[in-house]
Amino acid sequence: GAVVSQHPSWVICKSGTSVKIECRSLDFQATTMFWYRQFPKQSLMLMATSNEGSKATYEQGVEKDKFLINHASLTLSTLTVTSAHPEDSSFYICSARSLAGGADTQYFGPGTRLTVL
Amino acid sequence: GENVEQHPSTLSVQEGDSAVIKCTYSDSASNYFPWYKQELGKGPQLIIDIRSNVGEKKDQRIAVTLNKTAKHFSLHITETQPEDSAVYFCAAGAGSYQLTFGKGTKLSVIP
Repeated sequence: GAVVSQHPSWVICKSGTSVKIECRSLDFQATTMFWYRQFPKQSLMLMATSNEGSKATYEQGVEKDKFLINHASLTLSTLTVTSAHPEDSSFYICSARSLAGGADTQYFGPGTRLTVL
Repeated sequence: GENVEQHPSTLSVQEGDSAVIKCTYSDSASNYFPWYKQELGKGPQLIIDIRSNVGEKKDQRIAVTLNKTAKHFSLHITETQPEDSAVYFCAAGAGSYQLTFGKGTKLSVIP
């Protein structure tokens, strides 16, 4: 149980285009999902917290107009990188918060490797 | 806010030996301490977690200990195997809502 999927697993796009990444909780409902960015050999950097049915909360320094987050259902959150540039190339990872069984746990997806040419 | 320090940053052990990774945290309100294993090119995988009403938790070869007074917690892996080689992250938070992560420990198990 507690499986989180991401799609696509990798994407290459041209500078100036937009890219959408999907994050799904497959076997549990997640009122809260998180989006992280990870640079090579570094830790996870929280970008934003996404609550179902409401606006996402962005961390300081993260441009909300550039990284659009939508959490329209209890099992799906999307991250859209708008007008992508090479500096947006990174490993993007989502996670979903599970409250099943009274336990409060965060499960991660497999990540999406974005390369902007 | 919370600050999590993780040591060591790299750790090499011989297969069969034990590995210990330590983390300290700063916010006494934190009550949830998970450990994640991340293999190259993959997302972090939850391997064990502990909540502040417990001092120790074990799952086969993996154990986590928590000292709330000293604000530190540790991951213990016994009888290490080559497949244990990965980057391990500790985290702390008040529940899993907003976790603060350590910088990670790269564990190499030498056959």
